Amino acid sequence: TQLLEQSPQFLSIQEGENLTVYCNSSSVFSSLQWYRQEPGEGPVLLVTVVTGGEVKKLKRLTFQFGDARKDSSLHITAAQPGDTGLYLCAGTFGNEKLTFGTGTRLTIIP
Amino acid sequence: GAVVSQHPSRVICKSGTSVKIECRSLDFQATTMFWYRQFPKQSLMLMATSNEGSKATYEQGVEKDKFLINHASLTLSTLTVTSAHPEDSSFYICSARWEGVEQYFGPGTRLTVT
Repeated sequence: TQLLEQSPQFLSIQEGENLTVYCNSSSVFSSLQWYRQEPGEGPVLLVTVVTGGEVKKLKRLTFQFGDARKDSSLHITAAQPGDTGLYLCAGTFGNEKLTFGTGTRLTIIP
Repeated sequence: GAVVSQHPSRVICKSGTSVKIECRSLDFQATTMFWYRQFPKQSLMLMATSNEGSKATYEQGVEKDKFLINHASLTLSTLTVTSAHPEDSSFYICSARWEGVEQYFGPGTRLTVT
């Protein structure tokens, strides 16, 4: 059974600050996705990474996949209140099933 | 991006009754649909994987006779919670996939069993 740990579990920062959240697995990912979920809604896909060392950018969000494909990070620059939400990493491990991480609940204070 | 809908968005039912939740992929044909449940302040847990025209594959610990899944077409999957009890109250979310690894999620259904 794969375990995906995210850290921190909760993060509350001021608008304009930078932050990084982490996702660590006990097994090697085949692929990894990052999602953002708002209360009462389904997760929305932000990015997919598949290659070790891969870096992808989405506006102020930078996603990095570890060289060994067992970890990933999400860095947000100049956080805005609209970034508030639950950030979830999710990975596949050789099949189509997604295993979700424990989540990071981010609050940006105006 | 791909659009997945769920109906209803909220449902309240009495203990012992059954509830059906629909999941539709609106702009693509889904080779596979997935059903998850999410308890408050927790992450998503996969319940079952559903392929059109075949029986669903349930995760360990999920009762297949209680959570009936029907995948009648490439755009529709249904989850029926039979003989619901208060402990079945949760947020149920479906997702759909047609190629690649990405899954696109519906908006979820909040089930409350009284």
